[in-house]
Amino acid sequence: GAGVSQSPSNKVTEKGKDVELRCDPISGHTALYWYRQSLGQGLEFLIYFQGNSAPDKSGLPSDRFSAERTGGSVSTLTIQRTQQEDSAVYLCASSLGSGGAYEQYFGPGTRLTVT
Amino acid sequence: AQSVTQLDSQVPVFEEAPVELRCNYSSSVSVYLFWYVQYPNQGLQLLLKYLSGSTLVKGINGFEAEFNKSQTSFHLRKPSVHISDTAEYFCAVSEVRYSTLTFGKGTMLLVSP
Repeated sequence: GAGVSQSPSNKVTEKGKDVELRCDPISGHTALYWYRQSLGQGLEFLIYFQGNSAPDKSGLPSDRFSAERTGGSVSTLTIQRTQQEDSAVYLCASSLGSGGAYEQYFGPGTRLTVT
Repeated sequence: AQSVTQLDSQVPVFEEAPVELRCNYSSSVSVYLFWYVQYPNQGLQLLLKYLSGSTLVKGINGFEAEFNKSQTSFHLRKPSVHISDTAEYFCAVSEVRYSTLTFGKGTMLLVSP
């Protein structure tokens, strides 16, 4: 079946612009995660959605970052006033449920370059 | 909070040789342990996971890992590697009750003929 999809695959933006990154999780998966992969910091957790519960935003690096999940499915990660240090690959993952035993399935990522 | 240490950033090895990728973790609560692989320009794929039970876990592509609680380690091994195993390997942990993953910095496995 279809896996996690992300769009765009690549995004180049100028410093100071806003960007939106999209994630389509696997159908039926209630949990959705955003991670960031950068050369300096490795793979970092950003935000986690589980069903209708309030999201866990503890990994967001600044208030320029926000995310929403509409209808328990598609998610959008928004970065406002982008900075060069925001350049990274943004990975989305989904799982059937919450709890560490559920496998997370990762999308191919969106490579963001801030010039 | 948890942390994961992958001591080797790169491991070069010849084809058909055995390999071990090291992973140590730190946590004040019970955790689950995972190894993910990332092939060039692709997303992360789960290799194997330890949840409970037997400490020796077998995964895909002939990989296995052993959970050692006393040494807080979860090293990944393969008895004979192939060129196609060239990839970056990430060790990760999650709390039993909470599913966000904490990753190590990754180990690049470079298999040459």
